[in-house]
Amino acid sequence: AQTVTQSQPEMSVQEAETVTLSCTYDTSESDYYLFWYKQPPSRQMILVIRQEAYKQQNATENRFSVNFQKAAKSFSLKISDSQLGDAAMYFCAYRSSPGGATNKLIFGTGTLLAVQP
Amino acid sequence: EAGVAQSPRYKIIEKRQSVAFWCNPISGHATLYWYQQILGQGPKLLIQFQNNGVVDDSQLPKDRFSAERLKGVDSTLKIQPAKLEDSAVYLCASSQNVRDTQYFGPGTRLTVL
Repeated sequence: AQTVTQSQPEMSVQEAETVTLSCTYDTSESDYYLFWYKQPPSRQMILVIRQEAYKQQNATENRFSVNFQKAAKSFSLKISDSQLGDAAMYFCAYRSSPGGATNKLIFGTGTLLAVQP
Repeated sequence: EAGVAQSPRYKIIEKRQSVAFWCNPISGHATLYWYQQILGQGPKLLIQFQNNGVVDDSQLPKDRFSAERLKGVDSTLKIQPAKLEDSAVYLCASSQNVRDTQYFGPGTRLTVL
C-alpha cells in the first residue's frame, strides 16, 4: 500500500524568506501523481501544485516550486518570498495513475506553516 | 464557476444520534469523493462515486455510514448511529473525471458528544 510521510509537524518562516516543506512517500508503482494542498483555517483544501511522476522537470507555480526526486521518493515544496497569506496547514498527497490500483488521494499528516511578520 | 458546496458547516450531536451531510459538486463533474479528516490527520477517503455508481467504498464503515448520489449530481453522507470517534471534518471533493484534479468543498465539522 502507498504511504505518505511528512516529518515536520510545524515550520516557521519570516515574511519574504524562503521555506521548504518535506515529504516522502512509498510506492511500488512507476506512474503516479503527487500534490501539495494548502488548508487554511477555513478548512477548504486548495491545490498548490501538482507533479506527474513521468515528468523529470520539477513543477513550478509562481512562488511555489517542488523538488521531485523519484529514486529517493522525495517530494519537497519550496515557498519563495513567503507572505502572511501562506500561513496554513500543508498536505502532501499521492495518487495512482488512472490505470493504477486506485485514484483516491493518500495524504500525509500535514505541516503547519506559520509566517512571522 | 461555483465551487463545491457543502452543508451544514457545523453540526453537534449526541452519540447514537443520526446525522446527514450534503454536497453539491462543481457543475459537470462526474466524480465525487467523501473524505473524513480526523483532527491532526490528513483526509482519508470514505467513498468515491463515478456519476451515480460507487467506485470505491472500501474504507466506509458500512455498519453505520451510508452515502448516495442520486441522479449523479448531489450526494448525501449519513451516519447512523454516531459514535464519539466519528468527530471529524467531512470533506467533499469533485473532479471532472477520474484523471482530473480534485477540488474540495469547505467541509462539515462534526462533533459527537
